[in-house]
Amino acid sequence: GAVVSQHPSRVICKSGTSVKIECRSLDFQATTMFWYRQFPKQSLMLMATSNEGSKATYEQGVEKDKFLINHASLTLSTLTVTSAHPEDSSFYICSASSGASQYFGPGTRLTVT
Amino acid sequence: GQQVMQIPQYQHVQEGEDFTTYCNSSTTLSNIQWYKQRPGGHPVFLIQLVKSGEVKKQKRLTFQFGEAKKNSSLHITATQTTDVGTYFCAGQKGQGAQKLVFGQGTRLTINP
Repeated sequence: GAVVSQHPSRVICKSGTSVKIECRSLDFQATTMFWYRQFPKQSLMLMATSNEGSKATYEQGVEKDKFLINHASLTLSTLTVTSAHPEDSSFYICSASSGASQYFGPGTRLTVT
Repeated sequence: GQQVMQIPQYQHVQEGEDFTTYCNSSTTLSNIQWYKQRPGGHPVFLIQLVKSGEVKKQKRLTFQFGEAKKNSSLHITATQTTDVGTYFCAGQKGQGAQKLVFGQGTRLTINP
């Protein structure tokens, strides 16, 4: 089956620094990837849709200058949380689209101190 | 915008009892998907329902998609401790690269 990886799985950073999270489709090409955020005991909230070779589409209320998304190849999308603050601490999950299905990565747990 | 409501938010059962979670979309869906997330883990795909009135079974799990393609349910028969987790439905209006809208999830806990 299709496999999606994320790196890192966990990261702790200091307030004001930037963190980059990678999402890779390991055995298939994904023209579209999605980035979600999940706060404790809450559901997944879509942040943005990332299309290879074009600008990401952000959901309402998500700051595009704070959450930079790059989808430079058919197997890699990155999410950079810039000038992170404690309220950005969350579980960030990507998914990659292949045909009619979406496959989720294992998530990245970000803690901003 | 599109909304997917899921109830109940929490459900606690004795091992061996049945469990059901319900999803309702504000708009007609092209398909609905179900995911299970264990504590500390990530969502794991369970199934996708596409056809109006569709019913699918996976061992003790029964999934239904409503005739109007706006609601769905997941029923677990004779729960086991391994069923513990949060179950999410997610609705999609198109296929493939269309975004998923997740329900709030139902957190299932089981008394052994």
